[in-house]
Amino acid sequence: SAVISQKPSRDICQRGTSLTIQCQVDSQVTMMFWYRQQPGQSLTLIATANQGSEATYESGFVIDKFPISRPNLTFSTLTVSNMSPEDSSIYLCSVELDRGTYEQYFGPGTRLTVT
Amino acid sequence: GIQVEQSPPDLILQEGANSTLRCNFSDSVNNLQWFHQNPWGQLINLFYIPSGTKQNGRLSATTVATERYSLLYISSSQTTDSGVYFCAVDGSNYKLTFGKGTLLTVNP
Repeated sequence: SAVISQKPSRDICQRGTSLTIQCQVDSQVTMMFWYRQQPGQSLTLIATANQGSEATYESGFVIDKFPISRPNLTFSTLTVSNMSPEDSSIYLCSVELDRGTYEQYFGPGTRLTVT
Repeated sequence: GIQVEQSPPDLILQEGANSTLRCNFSDSVNNLQWFHQNPWGQLINLFYIPSGTKQNGRLSATTVATERYSLLYISSSQTTDSGVYFCAVDGSNYKLTFGKGTLLTVNP
């Protein structure tokens, strides 16, 4: 498996502000993903972040709202911009280890509340 | 895109009981994973099982890829098994699609 950490673990933010979430992996990985879990809901993929290329966003998610950086093979950030209460969610990063399988491992998540 | 349906949506058990959770999916898959989300929101990998059968302690899983379903078996349930169980599949593009989950409550 992999050791994945996220910072912050939780935050309470005011509407209109932005928050950057960090995801750190203890080994080099090609593929990293960002998911959102709204209260009481399942997980939805926001974007795929591969090193050396721009992030690929899913339908309903745009770069201006959720800019992503992937500066190297062990680190990524997701920014939630111009937040509104509807952005209150758990944000999780995941990685696929470069082992020839498709198995994904998830970070502990960032619990965001927007007031 | 690929559709994932989980059943039942909710399940309440007494400690020591056995249970079966089901996951149906609409297309062939490269990846099928079962997760347990604990009360703190952490997703715990239970099984990576695009086909076949695996066992890990009191938990086991079977995926019948040709019939597009997977089953998660929990035996001798414990209160610590409580939480949400998610099935997630990847059709062909490394992107996991999650089902809505099964909320399991195990009472002492």
